[in-house]
Amino acid sequence: EAQVTQNPRYLITVTGKKLTVTCSQNMNHEYMSWYRQDPGLGLRQIYYSMNVEVTDKGDVPEGYKVSRKEKRNFPLILESPSPNQTSLYFCASRKDREQNSPLHFGNGTRLTVT
Amino acid sequence: SQKIEQNSEALNIQEGKTATLTCNYTNYSPAYLQWYRQDPGRGPVFLLLIRENEKEKRKERLKVTFDTTLKQSLFHITASQPADSATYLCALAGYSSASKIIFGSGTRLSIRP
Repeated sequence: EAQVTQNPRYLITVTGKKLTVTCSQNMNHEYMSWYRQDPGLGLRQIYYSMNVEVTDKGDVPEGYKVSRKEKRNFPLILESPSPNQTSLYFCASRKDREQNSPLHFGNGTRLTVT
Repeated sequence: SQKIEQNSEALNIQEGKTATLTCNYTNYSPAYLQWYRQDPGRGPVFLLLIRENEKEKRKERLKVTFDTTLKQSLFHITASQPADSATYLCALAGYSSASKIIFGSGTRLSIRP
């Protein structure tokens, strides 16, 4: 089944403790992206990647890192999480860099930072 | 700055009626407008894409219109069913692969039997 898989689904951590949220897609998609979703603010892009070893900042990149060493994986790293990073996170992929290709989303990771 | 507005209030519709959701935008000239459905605890799922030079697009019970003069898209679900209850997001994208995709905050739709 074609899908985007994120892990974990739920994560509670404390301020300053490094964490990684994994994202993997099995559709051989070139483009991958991370979003956070907060009430009333919609989906905001954190980082995106057009292809392997190519990553760029989105709208809200502060406090986050990403890497794209393989085509299928795009982990999101929080080196020193803070409470304002408490949010619902989605990884997404699409076939190519063309904006008329639909995005395929994972089922989300709900992160709480205390 | 670029902005998308969707009905912030939830929409409650009687089963069988047509649900109409609105997406308005400012300070943007999108090449494409997309609609997604999001169920609680799940990621958004792509429904329809309409291009700036298209006035209307249909898929089964779904219809999307795109008015670049009014800077508005309307999303219609005809013969609505309780299973259509979800949050619906609109998203705008430019031609360039480097341009951002901007999402609205969504409208929650409830279809009552």
